[in-house]
Amino acid sequence: EPEVTQTPSHQVTQMGQEVILRCVPISNHLYFYWYRQILGQKVEFLVSFYNNEISEKSKIFDDQFSVERPDGSNFTLKIRSTKLEDSAMYFCASSKLSTGNQPQHFGDGTRLSIL
Amino acid sequence: QKEVEQNSGPLSVPEGAIASLNCTYSDRGSQSFFWYRQYSGKSPELIMSIYSNGDKEDGRFTAQLNKASQYVSLLIRDSQPSDSATYLCAVKGEDYKLSFGAGTTVTVRA
Repeated sequence: EPEVTQTPSHQVTQMGQEVILRCVPISNHLYFYWYRQILGQKVEFLVSFYNNEISEKSKIFDDQFSVERPDGSNFTLKIRSTKLEDSAMYFCASSKLSTGNQPQHFGDGTRLSIL
Repeated sequence: QKEVEQNSGPLSVPEGAIASLNCTYSDRGSQSFFWYRQYSGKSPELIMSIYSNGDKEDGRFTAQLNKASQYVSLLIRDSQPSDSATYLCAVKGEDYKLSFGAGTTVTVRA
């Protein structure tokens, strides 16, 4: 069964450094998403992306965050200047469509640790 | 702001019993409802989706939706130790994002 794949599985970064998290969505999916989950807390929506542009973003997704689809397969999340509170699991998800009964399928996540 | 509330748990059930999980949501415009299972340190895994009022069964899982009461539930029949996990209720409206509840942790005792 097709999967969403994410790399790396664990990223350790010094505060203030830039980090790029990578995702390969399921190949016939058109909508891509980033979520994060701080340890012990809810899964929170960050951003959705369709047709090479952001379709929706949350208040968390401030100017320090950006997303890009640099080629036909990868979808990346960049955090420009990381803060301690950015430490979390980051999940990429994808879906065929955004409406109706189209579930979002999640990757295994990247654990981001900011020191 | 969509709010999704789940019974706090943890929920402990003996092997072979029925586990019952509840979820309420605040946005009446919500259209799609999902149950995800999350093992500790892992990603959410889709186990059920439901869009219409009533029951939907898939193997040992049954999802129930009541839009008038803004309530969705998940029943796990014949619970197995491998069902021990946190179950996340997720709700979606006309926008793009899923709104998640905090999850209910289920422990199945052998």
